[in-house]
Amino acid sequence: QAVLTQPSSLSASPGASASLTCTLRSGINVGTYRIYWFQQKPGSPPQYLLRYKSDSDKQQGSGVPSRFSGSKDASANAGILLISGLQSEDEADYYCMIWHSSTWVFGGGTKLTVL
Amino acid sequence: EVQLVESGGGLVQPGGSLRLSCAASGFTFSDHYMDWVRQPPGKGLEWVGLTRNKAYSYTTEYAASVKGRFTISRDESKNSLYLQMNSLKTEDTAVYYCSRADCSGGTCYGMDVWGQGTTVTVSS
Repeated sequence: QAVLTQPSSLSASPGASASLTCTLRSGINVGTYRIYWFQQKPGSPPQYLLRYKSDSDKQQGSGVPSRFSGSKDASANAGILLISGLQSEDEADYYCMIWHSSTWVFGGGTKLTVL
Repeated sequence: EVQLVESGGGLVQPGGSLRLSCAASGFTFSDHYMDWVRQPPGKGLEWVGLTRNKAYSYTTEYAASVKGRFTISRDESKNSLYLQMNSLKTEDTAVYYCSRADCSGGTCYGMDVWGQGTTVTVSS
């Protein structure tokens, strides 16, 4: 079982909100990890969006709009990237990441379609 | 302006070697951990390894998939990061990104700046 699992795709309408999940493998407690989120558009390198551990331990990337926010769902053992007021330019691949066992681990990515 | 520029990618045969470089500018290089991340064609991101900053004696960590074959180094006098890749396999084919870790107040976090990437193709 992968350390981080993301749904492969998600679709949402312009102006709506999208909730992207990053589920940690059973036995790895989401509460102890900082979850990082990156956006990647075709032909471009990833861009750092934000990191989230708790409401008192979080950071927004430089220039990243506030409509991108992070949270956790402890009951689902998952990190969440919430994008509100979706725009066509938000269509991209989104990756989560954690530091686990002295390595950085990426989720498989979610392709967000805005239509 | 903070900038990372990778170079050195190309076509190499299986079993061969290649050295990638990453030129950093716009920040105090020695203060930051630096990472290499790769992305096979049409696939997701895979962390390759990192080198810590001067405060942590530039120690390194590697992904299991490259440990023993790849070596990360840095030259502070040239503000440059390197990835020496030996015993290359077809599955090493990917775009290789150099990235900077967000380091402030003595603590380092994940990557906050990425280069444009350089393409490595391992094929006979």
